[in-house]
Amino acid sequence: AQTVTQSQPEMSVQEAETVTLSCTYDTSENNYYLFWYKQPPSRQMILVIRQEAYKQQNATENRFSVNFQKAAKSFSLKISDSQLGDTAMYFCTLGTGANNLFFGTGTRLTVIP
Amino acid sequence: GAGVSQSPSNKVTEKGKDVELRCDPISGHTALYWYRQSLGQGLEFLIYFQGNSAPDKSGLPSDRFSAERTGGSVSTLTIQRTQQEDSAVYLCASSSRGGYSNQPQHFGDGTRLSIL
Repeated sequence: AQTVTQSQPEMSVQEAETVTLSCTYDTSENNYYLFWYKQPPSRQMILVIRQEAYKQQNATENRFSVNFQKAAKSFSLKISDSQLGDTAMYFCTLGTGANNLFFGTGTRLTVIP
Repeated sequence: GAGVSQSPSNKVTEKGKDVELRCDPISGHTALYWYRQSLGQGLEFLIYFQGNSAPDKSGLPSDRFSAERTGGSVSTLTIQRTQQEDSAVYLCASSSRGGYSNQPQHFGDGTRLSIL
């Protein structure tokens, strides 16, 4: 079975500061992918960043980066220089050999001006 | 279209009625997914279409739920004899190829379904 756990239901960060969102997962698959999706109040889910499990190098997309610890099954998201537009729900997501994705319950991030 | 379009954006109906939710994927995308998002929860996979292949229905919660995709494009999710626990946001996503690993999924804005 695949599980994704986000232990921080809510977080807040001052504008321009850095924040890290935690995620742990469990899977018996060797080949899998991990994603962070963002869902602003508009409800549309937007892909933030993607990590292939076979790659040791942590993925980076501008202000967003991940800390992927495969042995610990940990996949945290770091947002640098937080902006007001980063306010959203963030979902850690696991993709395995099936045709679907397993989502965590989300972390609601609020960026405070 | 420019993005995934879902309609209606909001639907309120009485318990026991049937509802149809529509998804118009990005033109040319062969893969289409339906998810359900209950209040305070992550997304729950419902069904997956890939081209002309038989759909993966493994996520449908009961036989009251069904979906079809006509002409490899527009999809309709039907819920028969709705129950209050069906209240949720139903999200549709498409990708240019099947498989999460190849292309990112592009999501619509969802349909918020409320069962009275």
